[in-house]
Amino acid sequence: DAGVTQSPTHLIKTRGQQVTLRCSPISGHKSVSWYQQVLGQGPQFIFQYYEKEERGRGNFPDRFSARQFPNYSSELNVNALLLGDSALYLCASSLWLGGNGYTFGSGTRLTVV
Amino acid sequence: QKEVEQNSGPLSVPEGAIASLNCTYSDRGSQSFFWYRQYSGKSPELIMSIYSNGDKEDGRFTAQLNKASQYVSLLIRDSQPSDSATYLCAVNTGNQFYFGTGTSLTVIP
Repeated sequence: DAGVTQSPTHLIKTRGQQVTLRCSPISGHKSVSWYQQVLGQGPQFIFQYYEKEERGRGNFPDRFSARQFPNYSSELNVNALLLGDSALYLCASSLWLGGNGYTFGSGTRLTVV
Repeated sequence: QKEVEQNSGPLSVPEGAIASLNCTYSDRGSQSFFWYRQYSGKSPELIMSIYSNGDKEDGRFTAQLNKASQYVSLLIRDSQPSDSATYLCAVNTGNQFYFGTGTSLTVIP
């Protein structure tokens, strides 16, 4: 069975640009969440979606947005990129609202130059 | 105060010993608790979940939860070099999922 898949794997963007990251959950999983992880830190919660509705939002600026599609895949958008947005972006899926833990994808490494 | 706090380590134990990892959380409404393992350059991998007070055992791993003290721990028995990784404590508050900064564990052969 396919796990959580994320694309692209690596990405280099220029400050001020916009980026879209994509995530496909494990088949049957209806909840997707997004995290930002900088080197040496734990993942920081960005968004949680369940059944295509936003169910949780972390302490990130409005430049960050996301959505979940009818097939439960998800996109994370970041506008007006800053150097500090450089990080590993992780997507994770769960059967329901994270109560049984999330399974993570391999992540997208975003570098802002 | 951070939502989830862990000692960053590093923690070193000899092969075959018991490794003890600790975590405290701030939100008394937290509902479920998890331990993840993250190898360098890899994404986190779920190893244990616990929902009620007490101990939960799974192979060499035992998770302990004390909601009154807002404390979660993970014991790794018979530690192996392959257990060397960063261990992340995670807490689900219902609409947010918080991670600690992780504890780096090294098992010395």
